[in-house]
Amino acid sequence: AQSVTQLGSHVSVSEGALVLLRCNYSSSVPPYLFWYVQYPNQGLQLLLKYTSAATLVKGINGFEAEFKKSETSFHLTKPSAHMSDAAEYFCAVSDYTSDNDMRFGAGTRLTVKP
Amino acid sequence: KAGVTQTPRYLIKTRGQQVTLSCSPISGHRSVSWYQQTPGQGLQFLFEYFSETQRNKGNFPGRFSGRQFSNSRSEMNVSTLELGDSALYLCASSARTGTYSYEQYFGPGTRLTVT
Repeated sequence: AQSVTQLGSHVSVSEGALVLLRCNYSSSVPPYLFWYVQYPNQGLQLLLKYTSAATLVKGINGFEAEFKKSETSFHLTKPSAHMSDAAEYFCAVSDYTSDNDMRFGAGTRLTVKP
Repeated sequence: KAGVTQTPRYLIKTRGQQVTLSCSPISGHRSVSWYQQTPGQGLQFLFEYFSETQRNKGNFPGRFSGRQFSNSRSEMNVSTLELGDSALYLCASSARTGTYSYEQYFGPGTRLTVT
């Protein structure tokens, strides 16, 4: 069964600094990978998704992620952090053998310091 | 297009009671999934319904059940509530965007507190 591991439950960056949130996946078939963001007291919002079309995926709010099969990674990056980026971020994996069987990582809480 | 809506947003129940949560998916979406989110266990998959049929089920006791109606709206029910059932319950709907790809759209959740 597929799974994801998010390295670092908390990440703190200064405003304007690079954001790097790490995600490694495990899957027996080529996976579909997703990054979601959750703001306090809200549901999850899709940031971006990888479905094998291109290894570098651009999402909303300036975020992007690169699929690296050799490293089984799908790290999320943003060149310059903004205060509004403070939230919890979830990496998720799915395979296409079971529609909607999505597995989430434990989440990484991003703090942005002024 | 309206997003996923969940009602109620907040709920307080007493141990032993039962509760029903409702989810209305995005128009045209036929798949609805339910998740439980707690600080200790994170996001856990409860079950998924597609065209009124349960298609996938997570590892939760039988006290947790759900159903889907012909208009794709879904309800989940928790009977004999326990303190540990206190959580944010999230509903997500999805539609195929290609042969295999899909994405899920989440509602704001229902915050259930069991006292």
